[in-house]
Amino acid sequence: GQNIDQPTEMTATEGAIVQINCTYQTSGFNGLFWYQQHAGEAPTFLSYNVLDGLEEKGRFSSFLSRSKGYSYLLLKELQMKDSASYLCAVIDSNYQLIWGAGTKLIIKP
Amino acid sequence: NAGVTQTPKFRVLKTGQSMTLLCAQDMNHEYMYWYRQDPGMGLRLIHYSVGEGTTAKGEVPDGYNVSRLKKQNFLLGLESAAPSQTSVYFCASVRGEPAGNEQFFGPGTRLTVL
Repeated sequence: GQNIDQPTEMTATEGAIVQINCTYQTSGFNGLFWYQQHAGEAPTFLSYNVLDGLEEKGRFSSFLSRSKGYSYLLLKELQMKDSASYLCAVIDSNYQLIWGAGTKLIIKP
Repeated sequence: NAGVTQTPKFRVLKTGQSMTLLCAQDMNHEYMYWYRQDPGMGLRLIHYSVGEGTTAKGEVPDGYNVSRLKKQNFLLGLESAAPSQTSVYFCASVRGEPAGNEQFFGPGTRLTVL
């Protein structure tokens, strides 16, 4: 079967750094997305990785290791507005998106 | 541009009733998707379409039907609603194939089946 694992919930402090991990076991791999979803709202795109390495975009970075089936999202200089769920999704060999259950990030002052 | 819109935003149904959810996009995207999102679970694909006049089943298609008569619209139908279909439904559109192309989501429809 296909499986994507993320921690259910994480807590971090405003101004700090947090790393959200995602491990996947899928039939094939054609890319990995990270989306942000605020409570009661739709997911919005954060990043896309298809090659190994780090992609940086402002305060957010995403890392991929295809050999380990592993990715992480790194959020720096945390702000209260970063409180949200972060969804990891993998494109499998059939070019279907397989979604993780998401990690709820709680930011404390 | 409105992006992706969904109608209605909220709905309460009784078991056995039928309804249609409408998704519209003004970005000329080829691919459109219907997902459901339940607490503690990832987004699950119900049906999708790779172009006008085409539809295909996703991971959880039972109890739902879809149509894509116009490129900009993707309709999701529930013929006989069941309490297990209580969920938040999201529509999404993509410019082309998923690889490398972000999905744009509508605001969601919150459906309760009593």
